[in-house]
Amino acid sequence: LAKTTQPISMDSYEGQEVNITCSHNNIATNDYITWYQQFPSQGPRFIIQGYKTKVTNEVASLFIPADRKSSTLSLPRVSLSDTAVYYCLVGENYGGATNKLIFGTGTLLAVQP
Amino acid sequence: EAEVAQSPRYKITEKSQAVAFWCDPISGHATLYWYRQILGQGPELLVQFQDESVVDDSQLPKDRFSAERLKGVDSTLKIQPAELGDSAMYLCASSLGQDRFYEQYFGPGTRLTVT
Repeated sequence: LAKTTQPISMDSYEGQEVNITCSHNNIATNDYITWYQQFPSQGPRFIIQGYKTKVTNEVASLFIPADRKSSTLSLPRVSLSDTAVYYCLVGENYGGATNKLIFGTGTLLAVQP
Repeated sequence: EAEVAQSPRYKITEKSQAVAFWCDPISGHATLYWYRQILGQGPELLVQFQDESVVDDSQLPKDRFSAERLKGVDSTLKIQPAELGDSAMYLCASSLGQDRFYEQYFGPGTRLTVT
């Protein structure tokens, strides 16, 4: 079971680019890397998913080096509304019915004006 | 945009009482999950359904918790009897299927307080 390690908290200012790095040293060949965002008193929201190299969508970019032992979520030009907890997850994908996500404690990103 | 529905949003109950939570996933989503989230921690998977079948309940305290998804659509999670340590947010999520398991859609959750 791959375990993830990410900073407990980060601070930023509006308009800055924020990079949150996650370590997953024992990631397995079948594992996907996924990031979720959670606001207080709400359920988590899927942000982005990747397997290797770089993935970009309208919200964020995900950078994954060749060894896949870490990944970096990049949020361009953050605003106050990006203040939330961000979870890095390694999803166990064994092609069967028990594929699942394991959440850690996440990174609390605080964006200041 | 389709959403996962949960009810009630808040529940206060006394210990030893029974409590039930309901979830209606996004239409067409075959996989349904129940998570428990304690304040300050990430969600913990309790049970996972594929259609009407349980495929993972390894973290479900089966002496007091039960879950069902009889027709493969909506689902109910029950606790009987409730204990003080059960106070948490209970989240329901759904996904299109096992090949999209990493993209889950969460409901707003039910905040349970056991007194």
